[in-house]
Amino acid sequence: EVQLVESGGGLVQPGGSLRLSCAASGFILSSFGMYWVRQAPGKGLEWVSYISSSSNTIYYANSVKGRFTISRDNAKNSLYLQMNSLRVEDTAVYFCARKPFVVDYYMDVWGKGTTVTVSS
Amino acid sequence: EIVMTQSPATLSVSPGDRATLSCRASQSVSTNLAWYQQKPGQAPRLLIYDASTRATGVPARFSGGGSGTEFTLTISSLQSEDFAVYYCLQYKNWPPWTFGQGTKVEIK
Repeated sequence: EVQLVESGGGLVQPGGSLRLSCAASGFILSSFGMYWVRQAPGKGLEWVSYISSSSNTIYYANSVKGRFTISRDNAKNSLYLQMNSLRVEDTAVYFCARKPFVVDYYMDVWGKGTTVTVSS
Repeated sequence: EIVMTQSPATLSVSPGDRATLSCRASQSVSTNLAWYQQKPGQAPRLLIYDASTRATGVPARFSGGGSGTEFTLTISSLQSEDFAVYYCLQYKNWPPWTFGQGTKVEIK
């Protein structure tokens, strides 16, 4: 079964850091581009970051550029999001999602998410 | 950045009825549009991609249409498990990837 499982969320003070992980199973992570998408409480979905299968191509939303870093370890079948200088507005459920093995760049498989709360 | 606008914000429908959700793009996205279903406390689930292609395992009562800037998601006969929030996503021009704000389908 294809599955993504996020971890690493928690409560952190403004200005703090957190590292999210996403463990992939049921497929070979190294063949797929991956995304992070977040959802603030009671709000809609917001794309955060994208990394290509080989890590050669990386994009960030303007709202997190310079503060968040996406990375992957294909040998460990894992995706990461290092979040620094966290702000209250970064509070959200963070989902990792897979780009399908086709030309198009949407998200076909999603994890259940991990909750990040930034509060003093 | 392409802005995606969904309407209505909330749709009240009786079980067994037809529901039509709309998504409009601020500029043409061709057919590079996906629809997702999200239930409370769950991850989004891919329903439709390329504007009209059902994802694996999605019931035939879900259908997508449109191209350019106007898109629809139709649920032909609403079942109890279909009451959820639905989002559209454009993947024509990125970054950024942009979602609509969502349409909540609730029981009338």
